[in-house]
Amino acid sequence: GAVVSQHPSWVICKSGTSVKIECRSLDFQATTMFWYRQFPKQSLMLMATSNEGSKATYEQGVEKDKFLINHASLTLSTLTVTSAHPEDSSFYICSVSRVYEQYFGPGTRLTVT
Amino acid sequence: AQSVTQLGSHVSVSEGALVLLRCNYSSSVPPYLFWYVQYPNQGLQLLLKYTSAATLVKGINGFEAEFKKSETSFHLTKPSAHMSDAAEYFCAVSDSTDSWGKFQFGAGTQVVVTP
Repeated sequence: GAVVSQHPSWVICKSGTSVKIECRSLDFQATTMFWYRQFPKQSLMLMATSNEGSKATYEQGVEKDKFLINHASLTLSTLTVTSAHPEDSSFYICSVSRVYEQYFGPGTRLTVT
Repeated sequence: AQSVTQLGSHVSVSEGALVLLRCNYSSSVPPYLFWYVQYPNQGLQLLLKYTSAATLVKGINGFEAEFKKSETSFHLTKPSAHMSDAAEYFCAVSDSTDSWGKFQFGAGTQVVVTP
């Protein structure tokens, strides 16, 4: 069965609004989760590392004030896209890991109109 | 710094023919290497991984890959393509257990299987 779930699987929002995406680790507690972004016909790019109980670590070029990450529990990390714009439309995928094992969520398709 | 190069953004193979997807990596330390498959509007499915054990790695759905340190390569093969193999394939690298989970992905290779 699935190890990682994401909700929602697909969301459409209007420009200027905020959207929250949830990532849940179903099988084990995860102190670290990762958020990736995939633009159409492109590869996955790591956005940030979500750390339980502490601030997320963002990759270079990713706006931390725009992509708010909250890892409030060992099984849940949330990504909030604030003041979304059409260029934020993308496929967002989270992953959870333990040594030598990596599990990816099914992804969330965000469309900003 | 680690990086991954996948040669060929599109590969077309006939059903029953050999599938060969190329992946070369650059890493300053012994890497961990992965191949994932992605179907449209879906997440990633792990095909196989190399974590410094056997250099020839067998995965699911008849896929296998060979780690060649001298060539810094981790090419993916399948002897006989099936129509269900049509998908996007990604090679990925992770440097070490310290940064486990921080994957660098290749650009991807779209596989088309023709009857």
